[in-house]
Amino acid sequence: GAVVSQHPSRVICKSGTSVKIECRSLDFQATTMFWYRQFPKQSLMLMATSNEGSKATYEQGVEKDKFLINHASLTLSTLTVTSAHPEDSSFYICSARGRSLNEKLFFGSGTQLSVL
Amino acid sequence: AQSVAQPEDQVNVAEGNPLTVKCTYSVSGNPYLFWYVQYPNRGLQFLLKYITGDNLVKGSYGFEAEFNKSQTSFHLKKPSALVSDSALYFCARTRADRGSTLGRLYFGRGTQLTVWP
Repeated sequence: GAVVSQHPSRVICKSGTSVKIECRSLDFQATTMFWYRQFPKQSLMLMATSNEGSKATYEQGVEKDKFLINHASLTLSTLTVTSAHPEDSSFYICSARGRSLNEKLFFGSGTQLSVL
Repeated sequence: AQSVAQPEDQVNVAEGNPLTVKCTYSVSGNPYLFWYVQYPNRGLQFLLKYITGDNLVKGSYGFEAEFNKSQTSFHLKKPSALVSDSALYFCARTRADRGSTLGRLYFGRGTQLTVWP
């Protein structure tokens, strides 16, 4: 099946620094990518939807200047958490969908972000 | 509000016994419904989906799910559990009516399934 690679799997950073998370589709062209976050014992919450070559669409309550999403190619989307704070500590997971993949989504393995 | 509920954080079952992981969804339009499984250090993997048609949906690894419109439920089932089925299971639905941007999903909190040998 299709593979989505997400890096890093775990990152610890100091408050105020920026962190970039990459999401790559390895064997298909991801026309749409989605970024989710998950707090402990809670659901995955959709943060934003990005289509290749266009600006991301953010869900209500998600700060677009804080969570910068770039989807510059059909195989790569990045999420940058700018000026991270401890409350940004969470599990971030990307998913991707391609034209030929119908309703199926393929997920990355997630990134555990810890901000000290 | 559109949401998905998985009422059990954990389900424990002996190998060889049938298993059920429960999921209910809020009523709003006619959503697509999904089950995903997450193994440790792996991304979520698609198990099965319901769009329309037969209420009993068969998916990967011997799993199936039954769509019940009157009870707004979509419980995941397997007749005979395996130890290797132990994982975290997520139920999900599309945001609004069918055809809404696929991938914009509401997820449940997840249910940890443990199958004892």
